[in-house]
Amino acid sequence: NAGVTQTPKFQVLKTGQSMTLQCAQDMNHNSMYWYRQDPGMGLRLIYYSASEGTTDKGEVPNGYNVSRLNKREFSLRLESAAPSQTSVYFCASTEVPSSGANVLTFGAGSRLTVL
Amino acid sequence: KNQVEQSPQSLIILEGKNCTLQCNYTVSPFSNLRWYKQDTGRGPVSLTIMTFSENTKSNGRYTATLDADTKQSSLHITASQLSDSASYICVVRSGGSQGNLIFGKGTKLSVKP
Repeated sequence: NAGVTQTPKFQVLKTGQSMTLQCAQDMNHNSMYWYRQDPGMGLRLIYYSASEGTTDKGEVPNGYNVSRLNKREFSLRLESAAPSQTSVYFCASTEVPSSGANVLTFGAGSRLTVL
Repeated sequence: KNQVEQSPQSLIILEGKNCTLQCNYTVSPFSNLRWYKQDTGRGPVSLTIMTFSENTKSNGRYTATLDADTKQSSLHITASQLSDSASYICVVRSGGSQGNLIFGKGTKLSVKP
């Protein structure tokens, strides 16, 4: 049972380059999320998808785009990477849109460095 | 402003000892509070969830408490093990239709032999 799978685990980019972080879950969850985690800060929500076909901005969406490809997959794209986007990115999923006692299942994270 | 504050920022204890981590929140309206454990290089994993009416909940050697009146929660770890070394994150969900999750910055626990 894989849970939430993120790729790549590590990536180094130069300023201005683009890339896409991939996320897939095999738990048939409706909702999926992208967070970033920076030293000394709590996890911050970038974008989320409450259900297949919908996406919404979170707390820090600038510089990112997302695609909910199907129920399983939710990708995060950096069109023109900036050093401020150096971070660890986590994808998460849950059964319903973070309501009640539903718990987020996180992926292992993708460490991105922008030079 | 909805905030979640955790203390201490970091903690070092000897194997076998107990410890308590604190979480204070100003989230309103309150829906529930969750404690996550995050091992180095891994994603957070849920330890326990507490709703408004729950005061204490245990998960093995982990015991969480919630005082909704003072808006405080604690996570007590009994007879610590080396594998308890991790960051512990307190997450509060606000009530209402948005149901936003507010993450604390975490407490980094190191258990030494």
